[in-house]
Amino acid sequence: QQPVQSPQAVILREGEDAVINCSSSKALYSVHWYRQKHGEAPVFLMILLKGGEQKGHDKISASFNEKKQQSSLYLTASQLSYSGTYFCGTEISDDKIIFGKGTRLHILP
Amino acid sequence: NAGVTQTPKFRVLKTGQSMTLLCAQDMNHEYMYWYRQDPGMGLRLIHYSVGEGTTAKGEVPDGYNVSRLKKQNFLLGLESAAPSQTSVYFCASSYLVGETTDTQYFGPGTRLTVL
Repeated sequence: QQPVQSPQAVILREGEDAVINCSSSKALYSVHWYRQKHGEAPVFLMILLKGGEQKGHDKISASFNEKKQQSSLYLTASQLSYSGTYFCGTEISDDKIIFGKGTRLHILP
Repeated sequence: NAGVTQTPKFRVLKTGQSMTLLCAQDMNHEYMYWYRQDPGMGLRLIHYSVGEGTTAKGEVPDGYNVSRLKKQNFLLGLESAAPSQTSVYFCASSYLVGETTDTQYFGPGTRLTVL
């Protein structure tokens, strides 16, 4: 039931782009994206809903393919502040969010 | 607004001891969650609640109990702690918009070590 994230880790230079993928084996109500910096709590980035509605960060974009139960997070022109671990969370039913194992992103200057 | 708070921030237990972790939120959210985070495992849902007086099991509920007697509080109990329960515990709260859960607000976490 846990969504699968890929890649597990990414190293970029500042200004480069990255894509983080999230896939589920079950039909989804929504996909949530969070970022966590070391020693801190996860922080909300985006929610993608069935039907195409999105809510979240104005400098990060994402897509949600309902038919394939997949979502991708696009980080363009990455900044040092983007470093951290990114989690996707999938909402299947029963009002609970199940998170993936995370993707570690490290941005080099 | 304090948001979501957790107490304690750190705790060391011996195997077999019991303890309760407290989560409080002041945003009037209906939904509250307890997660544990272990290296390489992501955030795993332990138990959650969709309203005062209700609780439900998540992915890894064994060894834990919860209670939601007041809307603003969600308690996580360990009756007999085991070393496998050494982890960082996060509480979160959210509300429902239409059919989907909206933004989850996380507390700062509790680092628990069981010896």
